[in-house]
Amino acid sequence: NAGVTQTPKFQVLKTGQSMTLQCAQDMNHEYMSWYRQDPGMGLRLIHYSVGAGITDQGEVPNGYNVSRSTTEDFPLRLLSAAPSQTSVYFCASSTGFSNQPQHFGDGTRLSIL
Amino acid sequence: KNQVEQSPQSLIILEGKNCTLQCNYTVSPFSNLRWYKQDTGRGPVSLTIMTFSENTKSNGRYTATLDADTKQSSLHITASQLSDSASYICVVSRASAAGNKLTFGGGTRVLVKP
Repeated sequence: NAGVTQTPKFQVLKTGQSMTLQCAQDMNHEYMSWYRQDPGMGLRLIHYSVGAGITDQGEVPNGYNVSRSTTEDFPLRLLSAAPSQTSVYFCASSTGFSNQPQHFGDGTRLSIL
Repeated sequence: KNQVEQSPQSLIILEGKNCTLQCNYTVSPFSNLRWYKQDTGRGPVSLTIMTFSENTKSNGRYTATLDADTKQSSLHITASQLSDSASYICVVSRASAAGNKLTFGGGTRVLVKP
């Protein structure tokens, strides 16, 4: 079982460039989320989706866009990369039931120069 | 403010020994508390989920406890193995009109030495 797949695993960008981080899940989960993980801090929610066509902002949404055209895919777009967006990005999916765990991908390590 | 604090930030233990990680939270209203294990370079993996009515839950050599009155949880690792070297993340879920919201602790990094 693939679970949650994130691509690419590593990326280096220059300030001002744009890019899309890909996330796909094969568990037919309705809920999908994007987090960033910075040293010494807990994961912070960027954007989330409760189903195809429905997205909402999390705790730190500025500079990022998302869309959810299918149940399986939830891409995260950086509009104009800034050094402050250097981080490890994790995508997660879940059934949406409150007592069910989230399943995480292995992350995309992004450096903005 | 909804917060999750974990201690210690890091610890080193010898293979075969036990250790206990702490998690204190101020999240309200409480829905459930989760412990995740995150290996270096990997995403977090769920270990346990406990609701208000559960005060202990085990997953192999991992045992989590919850005291909802004092808003404290612990994760006990028994007979540690080298593969237990990882970060352990405490996550508290709170109920809201927009669905459950998760607050993540900063994690405890555990290093098991032979």
